[in-house]
Amino acid sequence: AQSVAQPEDQVNVAEGNPLTVKCTYSVSGNPYLFWYVQYPNRGLQFLLKYITGDNLVKGSYGFEAEFNKSQTSFHLKKPSALVSDSALYFCAVRDLSGTYKYIFGTGTRLKVLA
Amino acid sequence: EAGVAQSPRYKIIEKRQSVAFWCNPISGHATLYWYQQILGQGPKLLIQFQNNGVVDDSQLPKDRFSAERLKGVDSTLKIQPAKLEDSAVYLCASSLAVDTEAFFGQGTRLTVV
Repeated sequence: AQSVAQPEDQVNVAEGNPLTVKCTYSVSGNPYLFWYVQYPNRGLQFLLKYITGDNLVKGSYGFEAEFNKSQTSFHLKKPSALVSDSALYFCAVRDLSGTYKYIFGTGTRLKVLA
Repeated sequence: EAGVAQSPRYKIIEKRQSVAFWCNPISGHATLYWYQQILGQGPKLLIQFQNNGVVDDSQLPKDRFSAERLKGVDSTLKIQPAKLEDSAVYLCASSLAVDTEAFFGQGTRLTVV
């Protein structure tokens, strides 16, 4: 069965430090992987995606993510965190072997401390 | 480019009443999704349309929830009758194709009292 896990409910990081938000997935076939950010009282905003090719993908606002097939992971990263990055982050996966369902993780709250 | 439009933004109803939400996807987007997001949780896929056909509705509580996509464009999601546990934000999203990223509307916040 298709699933995606975000093992950390909350991540705290000091401003200027690198940040990592973790995501692991389980699919039958090849995955398409996505990251979204959600600010309070707003809809989800697309950050970046992995479809194929280079395992390191770059997205909006300086975020990047690394696809690791052997570890079935797709961690979100940023070299230097900003206070304005504080938000809720969601990982999503689309399983190409089935109905292409678009499934989201439970979310990780990122708090960047000044 | 206009985004995904949803209405209403907020709705308060009593339990056992009915409610409907409307979504207008981005023009040209073939795939449309409805999600339920309970406070503090991730979005849960209720139904996924490809044009006006249903791709997946395995998590739609079909005894009370229904959805349709008219002519492969607009969509409505209905709850009848509503229960207290239906209180959530209902998000509509659309994607150009079945394998591309989805773009979300602002959502409808439903409170059932």
